[in-house]
Amino acid sequence: QVQLEESGPGLVKPPQTLSLICTVSGDSISSSNDYWSWIRQPAGKGLEWIGRIHASGSTNYNPSLKSRVTISADMSRNQFSLRLNSVAAADTAVYYCARETGHSFEYHLDCWGQGTLVTVSS
Amino acid sequence: DIQMTQSPSSLSASLGDRVTIPCRASQSIGNYLNWYQQKPGKAPKLLIYAASSLQSGVPSRFSGSGSGTDFTLTISSLQPEDFATYYCQQSDVIPLTFGGGTKVEIK
Repeated sequence: QVQLEESGPGLVKPPQTLSLICTVSGDSISSSNDYWSWIRQPAGKGLEWIGRIHASGSTNYNPSLKSRVTISADMSRNQFSLRLNSVAAADTAVYYCARETGHSFEYHLDCWGQGTLVTVSS
Repeated sequence: DIQMTQSPSSLSASLGDRVTIPCRASQSIGNYLNWYQQKPGKAPKLLIYAASSLQSGVPSRFSGSGSGTDFTLTISSLQPEDFATYYCQQSDVIPLTFGGGTKVEIK
């Protein structure tokens, strides 16, 4: 079955860059028609979609974060990554990677990583 | 951005109860609406996609309905493992957006 696993530093100092990697097994990010997404959740709060990348390399970002976010993929390693620049305390959250699958114009997030807590603090 | 509103933010129910959880979109999203269940310390789990399609492996006591701006998740008979927070999410327009969640608690 498809599994996703986030990895990266648990502590980032402001205003440095947060970098996370999502390693995918059981599916190929280069051959599927799926999107590969990042979502975050501050403690005790709701879910915020950050952005996604398609096998074609095309990306979509949340406008609220677009100026600071880059999502890229390493097809040879079956990984995709998140970079968030100029972080502040408000970026402290659990970060999830997820697969967005579907057909036509209907897509849904069907597989999620377990999440990784990133704390922004000096 | 499309705003997704879930109200109430929490509700209390008893085992065996029929529970309905509403979700409203700020504009029409057709049937591009998904539902997730999240338990403490865990990732969200997809329950319903395209407003009413049951994800594989999800118990049939979960069902979804609605289109346009108003949607409902129904649990026909609440089980102990169903106490959790439920989120709706629209997939019609980028950015994808989630509702604030409805926490189902034990009465």
